[in-house]
Amino acid sequence: DAGVIQSPRHEVTEMGQEVTLRCKPISGHDYLFWYRQTMMRGLELLIYFNNNVPIDDSGMPEDRFSAKMPNASFSTLKIQPSEPRDSAVYFCASKEGNTIYFGEGSWLTVV
Amino acid sequence: AQKITQTQPGMFVQEKEAVTLDCTYDTSDQSYGLFWYKQPSSGEMIFLIYQGSYDEQNATEGRYSLNFQKARKSANLVISASQLGDSAMYFCAMRVPKDTGRRALTFGSGTRLQVQP
Repeated sequence: DAGVIQSPRHEVTEMGQEVTLRCKPISGHDYLFWYRQTMMRGLELLIYFNNNVPIDDSGMPEDRFSAKMPNASFSTLKIQPSEPRDSAVYFCASKEGNTIYFGEGSWLTVV
Repeated sequence: AQKITQTQPGMFVQEKEAVTLDCTYDTSDQSYGLFWYKQPSSGEMIFLIYQGSYDEQNATEGRYSLNFQKARKSANLVISASQLGDSAMYFCAMRVPKDTGRRALTFGSGTRLQVQP
């Protein structure tokens, strides 16, 4: 089992640029979650999908953030335009039964 | 609203000793799940253990056990025979029940454990 796969692992970008983070959930998992981790706010849920449908996006900070899940094996989180305060680790996770498995995270730095 | 509280920002333990990491939770729901995750310095989130609110037995996974006290709303993680590789950040989390439509985890602020040789 390959686990949840995220890319890129690390990204440094300039303020104003578009950032796209990618996630491949574990095959067969029907829930996918995007979390953000910062020192100040800890781990925050941004959005989650069930069977590719967004269920709760109340954690998405603002319109600059968008997420899609075009099929069961792929999701993207996009930030456009990016700002320095978006610097964080972004985790994707997928769920099977009672357990939620996380990817290794995408470390984003916006300068 | 659901809330997870971890009151220990940092803990030290000697190698080979047991350590308990505290977690209390607040929810009005009867059905919920409690989780512990480990985050080493490399950054990944590693699932350790799960306890369902209706589970009568405390969950155990190898050297990890969850001391579940439902009346006190606590779900402490016990690590037996600590190893140097256990040094990491540990997060307690709760999943809200399915009838609210939310399946995501709410996390505590974490406890940083350092195992000393």
